[in-house]
Amino acid sequence: DGGITQSPKYLFRKEGQNVTLSCEQNLNHDAMYWYRQDPGQGLRLIYYSQIVNDFQKGDIAEGYSVSREKKESFPLTVTSAQKNPTAFYLCASRPTGGVSPLHFGNGTRLTVT
Amino acid sequence: AQSVTQLDSQVPVFEEAPVELRCNYSSSVSVYLFWYVQYPNQGLQLLLKYLSGSTLVKGINGFEAEFNKSQTSFHLRKPSVHISDTAEYFCAVSDRGSQGNLIFGKGTKLSVKP
Repeated sequence: DGGITQSPKYLFRKEGQNVTLSCEQNLNHDAMYWYRQDPGQGLRLIYYSQIVNDFQKGDIAEGYSVSREKKESFPLTVTSAQKNPTAFYLCASRPTGGVSPLHFGNGTRLTVT
Repeated sequence: AQSVTQLDSQVPVFEEAPVELRCNYSSSVSVYLFWYVQYPNQGLQLLLKYLSGSTLVKGINGFEAEFNKSQTSFHLRKPSVHISDTAEYFCAVSDRGSQGNLIFGKGTKLSVKP
């Protein structure tokens, strides 16, 4: 079955360390997205990519970085510059062209202490 | 700029009762509208979408929503809820020129009690 795989499901890190969250899709979608979810705040867009080797900042990109070297993969690095990294992170994808809904992975819950 | 307001952060309801989850949006251009559902510790699943045409949209699990352009609303309804409908529901809007990027509301937690 096609879908989006985020790994790991739970991730624990010490403050000051960078950490990379994995997102892989086999839906052949061009566009991929990273959202951050905090209780009561909905989803906020961190970064998105419409095509391989290209990506744009979303609303809350500070302290995060991404790469898009392959169509299937869109890893997110949470750097030590991110002030409040503890959150639930969701990866999504969709075809470009038209208005197709987003397909979401099951998320990674990151806890930084 | 677009925005989405979900008017209720929590909605408790008894099983088999009807429910309405409210969503208002602001946008100066034509929009596409979506409702997503999120079960605990999972990603979001699409319930339904409005792109054009009929203002009453039917989705999965017996949900439906009505697009009201004059009131800039897209409320979600179900005539009879089940325990399994307990989840968080998100309304989202995309304008027709934003490359499909969605703006999400803050979510409404639906709690269905026996």
